[in-house]
Amino acid sequence: QSVLTQPPSVSAAPGQKVTISCSGSDSNIGNSYVSWYQQLPGTAPKLLIYDNNKRPSGIPDRFSGSKSGTSATLGITGLQTGDEADYFCGTWDRGLSAVVFGGGTKLTVL
Amino acid sequence: QVQLQESGPGLVKPSQTLSLTCSVSGDSISRGRHYWSWIRQHPVKGLEWLGFIYYSGTTYYNPSLKSRVTMSVDTSNNHFSLRLNSVTAADTAVYYCARAPMTTVTTVNFDPWGQGTLVTVSS
Repeated sequence: QSVLTQPPSVSAAPGQKVTISCSGSDSNIGNSYVSWYQQLPGTAPKLLIYDNNKRPSGIPDRFSGSKSGTSATLGITGLQTGDEADYFCGTWDRGLSAVVFGGGTKLTVL
Repeated sequence: QVQLQESGPGLVKPSQTLSLTCSVSGDSISRGRHYWSWIRQHPVKGLEWLGFIYYSGTTYYNPSLKSRVTMSVDTSNNHFSLRLNSVTAADTAVYYCARAPMTTVTTVNFDPWGQGTLVTVSS
């Protein structure tokens, strides 16, 4: 059971937009910045978003992040088949004194 | 381009110690600009943070594993290491090392990650 809650799966058609939610509490998301990771099949996770809404160099602006209260959201527009992957959120939990992650969301581009 | 590469045995017997090393290229651990971390991923997806180490040797461990985890750093050879003792089958996972560019723990993120190495605990 992960500390942060994500939907197990989402799906959408190519070209469409999808959002992935990450729900936490005051102990974590409510008081820390959120990062998002993309894990393509058979590869290591890759940083997509940090500090809630910032993109590292090389990450297209089709990927966006936001945070409100104790929840965060990853948005992906202009979906491509190459976006099919698992997506994880992560943050610091001050109660646990640990980095915590969501259980991951599998994105299927139909 | 910063690259991290894990190395170590892929099979460890129950009750023994898991030992892994992460070699860093394209960045210098001794610059002191980042923390260096270990994260593992259990077979059914979930990510679990094990801890950080700084170039000075300062460590932050996940309290859930603190009694079994030891991290060390070798700035001369630009690598850092993980030791996890008293392993059980529950420690079977893909182990990743990662760089953590953060100013405080509340801004923590991991970039980049190593390719990961599967460690199986079995007799």
